[in-house]
Formats: sequence, C-alpha cells, structure tokens
Amino acid sequence: KQEVTQIPAALSVPEGENLVLNCSFTDSAIYNLQWFRQDPGKGLTSLLLIQSSQREQTSGRLNASLDKSSGRSTLYIAASQPGDSATYLCAVQTGANNLFFGTGTRLTVIP
Amino acid sequence: GAGVSQSPRYKVAKRGQDVALRCDPISGHVSLFWYQQALGQGPEFLTYFQNEAQLDKSGLPSDRFFAERPEGSVSTLKIQRTQQEDSAVYLCASSSGGSYNEQFFGPGTRLTVL
Repeated sequence: KQEVTQIPAALSVPEGENLVLNCSFTDSAIYNLQWFRQDPGKGLTSLLLIQSSQREQTSGRLNASLDKSSGRSTLYIAASQPGDSATYLCAVQTGANNLFFGTGTRLTVIP
Repeated sequence: GAGVSQSPRYKVAKRGQDVALRCDPISGHVSLFWYQQALGQGPEFLTYFQNEAQLDKSGLPSDRFFAERPEGSVSTLKIQRTQQEDSAVYLCASSSGGSYNEQFFGPGTRLTVL
C-alpha cells in the first residue's frame, strides 16, 4: 500500500522567508502528485498538480518538484506571507483511482 | 463557475442514529470521490464513482457505510447506526474526464457523533 510522509509536521517562519516542504512516497509507480492547501475548518484547495512525466510545476510564488524514482517531492514557497499560514497536504495518485495523502505540514508565517 | 458543494456543513448525531451527507459536484464532472479525514490526519479514500457507477468502494470502513449517485451527478453518503469513531470530516471531490485528472474538493461535512 502506498505510504505518504510529510516532513516537518509543523513549521514556523518569519514573514519574507523562503521555505521548503517535503513529501515522500513509497511506491514510485504514480500517475501524478498534487499539493493542496487546507485552512482550518475548510476543504482542500489544489495548488499544483505534477504529472508523472513532469519534473516541476510553478504557480506564482510556489514551485513544486517531483523526483519519481526516489519517491520525493518538494514544495518551495518564496517570500512567505502571513496569508500562507495553513496546512499543506501532499497526495499521490497510483493505479487505483483515489489519492493517497500525507498527514500534512502545518505552516505558520509570523508577521 | 460553482465549485463542489456539500451539505450539511456540520452534523451532530447521537450514537446509533443514521445520517446522510450530500455532495454536489462541479457540473459535468464524471468522477466523484468521497474521503474521510480524522482530526490531525490526511484524508483517506472511501469510494469512487464514474457517472452513476460505483467503481471502487474498497475504502468504506464497514457495511454501515453506503454511497450512491443514482443519476450521475449528486451523491449521498449514508452512515447507518453511527458510532463515535465515525466522527470526522467527510470530503467530496470531483474531476472531469478520466480518473487521473485533477480533483477539486468541497468544503466538507464535519460529523460529530455523541
């Protein structure tokens, strides 16, 4: 069964700092990987989707990379802002139809 | 356009009661997924529909859980004889075309079983 791990579980940084969130998965036979943001009491907002044939995706201050062979992905957030405070979830899609999620990284950006 | 909507947003049930949770996917999306998210955990897959066909229900934790999508649009997740361990946020997601497309999530229904 696919296992997805996210490190660190929680992260607190001062505003303006660049930061990296890590995601690892045990089965490299994936179709795609998605990064989501979840605010307290809210659903999931999709940030970036990387197909298995791609190495990275960028959206604004966010950049996600994928190394399928080593089972790793990183989410890079540039010039962090207090509004970036949320839980960030990584999820992979394999031969099954569903997504396998990590437990998330809770990010706090201090003004 | 409208995103995925879910109702109710919050549900409190006494142990043993039956509950029904509704999901309205994005119009035209053929794939619909249900996930269960326990406190402090990532979402876990429950079941998957393509149009009205339930193609995968391997994640349903017990036979007390039942999902349907009779006309290929709105879906209902029903939990019979609720237990305290059923307390969680239930998330619905939909995607267009094939099952490997990007999934868009609703706000979830927070179920509390007393």
